Amino acid sequence: EVQLVESGGGLVQPGGSLRLSCAASGFTFSNYAMSWARQAPGKGLEWVSTILSGGSTYYADSVKGRFTFSRDNSNDMLYLQMNSLRAEDTAVYYCAKRGFFDSWGQGTLVTVSS
Amino acid sequence: DIQMTQSPSSLSASVGDRVTITCRASQGISNSLAWFQQKPGKAPKSLIFAASSLQSGVPSKFSGSGSGTDFALTISSLQPEDFATYYCQQYDSYPFTFGPGTKVDIK
Repeated sequence: EVQLVESGGGLVQPGGSLRLSCAASGFTFSNYAMSWARQAPGKGLEWVSTILSGGSTYYADSVKGRFTFSRDNSNDMLYLQMNSLRAEDTAVYYCAKRGFFDSWGQGTLVTVSS
Repeated sequence: DIQMTQSPSSLSASVGDRVTITCRASQGISNSLAWFQQKPGKAPKSLIFAASSLQSGVPSKFSGSGSGTDFALTISSLQPEDFATYYCQQYDSYPFTFGPGTKVDIK
């Protein structure tokens, strides 16, 4: 059974940094692209980033240059390094398998506020 | 960027109804379209990928159709557990984009 478990969310001040982690299990992690999406309170889903099995990364314009998506295939882990955080980055962040999100984690809440 | 629209934005339906939600892409995306269901306070759940392929474990009352720019999600007989918000997503080209969602509630 595929399991994705996010961690690392919390309250951070504007301009601050946070690193989200996602632990994957139940599938051959290194073979798959992985993605992050987010959902601001009361709003719809927003694609954030995708990393291919080979490590190439793609980002939404809203986070490009501020967020870095990486993977550790030895430990089946994903990381989303978020810098220069803004109030509009406040959201539940979900990691997911593949670019078409065929399995989702439970999400972790990031709140950017002073 | 490819823009995704959904219609209607919300609908009220009764148990047993057949419901169809449409999703339109601003340019052709072949069949690179997925559908998701989300209930309040929960993570989204994948229903359909490649426009019409049912995810493992998803009941056959859900079906997807379309290609190019116009797509549809149909629920053949609405049940109480199907009241939720539904989203489409294109993964044909980056940046990937989600539709704004369709909320299905009880009439």
